[in-house]
Amino acid sequence: DAKTTQPNSMESNEEEPVHLPCNHSTISGTDYIHWYRQLPSQGPEYVIHGLTSNVNNRMASLAIAEDRKSSTLILHRATLRDAAVYYCILRDGTSGTYKYIFGTGTRLKVLA
Amino acid sequence: EPEVTQTPSHQVTQMGQEVILRCVPISNHLYFYWYRQILGQKVEFLVSFYNNEISEKSEIFDDQFSVERPDGSNFTLKIRSTKLEDSAMYFCASSPNWTNEKLFFGSGTQLSVL
Repeated sequence: DAKTTQPNSMESNEEEPVHLPCNHSTISGTDYIHWYRQLPSQGPEYVIHGLTSNVNNRMASLAIAEDRKSSTLILHRATLRDAAVYYCILRDGTSGTYKYIFGTGTRLKVLA
Repeated sequence: EPEVTQTPSHQVTQMGQEVILRCVPISNHLYFYWYRQILGQKVEFLVSFYNNEISEKSEIFDDQFSVERPDGSNFTLKIRSTKLEDSAMYFCASSPNWTNEKLFFGSGTQLSVL
């Protein structure tokens, strides 16, 4: 499985935008980029995913570099509820594997 | 929004005892998963299940572990003879299909083996 690299932790002020980076220099053409987050004492929660084009949903935006070797999860206005560990995960869309390989993620702290 | 339900939320057992962790996936989902997270560590894949059989399993999922979908709604993880190192949070997840649909996770069962 291709590897991702994320900063261990980041801080943001409430109501400010947050950009969470992820490097995946060994990504293959069929790898989808997924983001999940884990709030304290909860199971992981889907945030967004994409392949090549930037994606938006009600939770966040995903900006994917043109060479696909990096991506950025954008929370447009951080709230205290967004404090969580954010995981960037690559998953091959064609291999038939069912598993997601979670890394250590980025722990986001939101300051009031 | 529909959700994955796990019971119990906490389970305490003695080493060597059998435990069954229960999950009710989202009703129209076809793929089911178990993950675990030892305190302070990564979320680890254990097993995936489709069409009443295991699709994929990790090295962690040895002969002490088994999964079953005994009826149309429940999905269970059994650990036959628990060890201290099985203490972890166990998460069940489900998805409509595997082609990059999102996983829906339950809130987990905290298993403590004494």
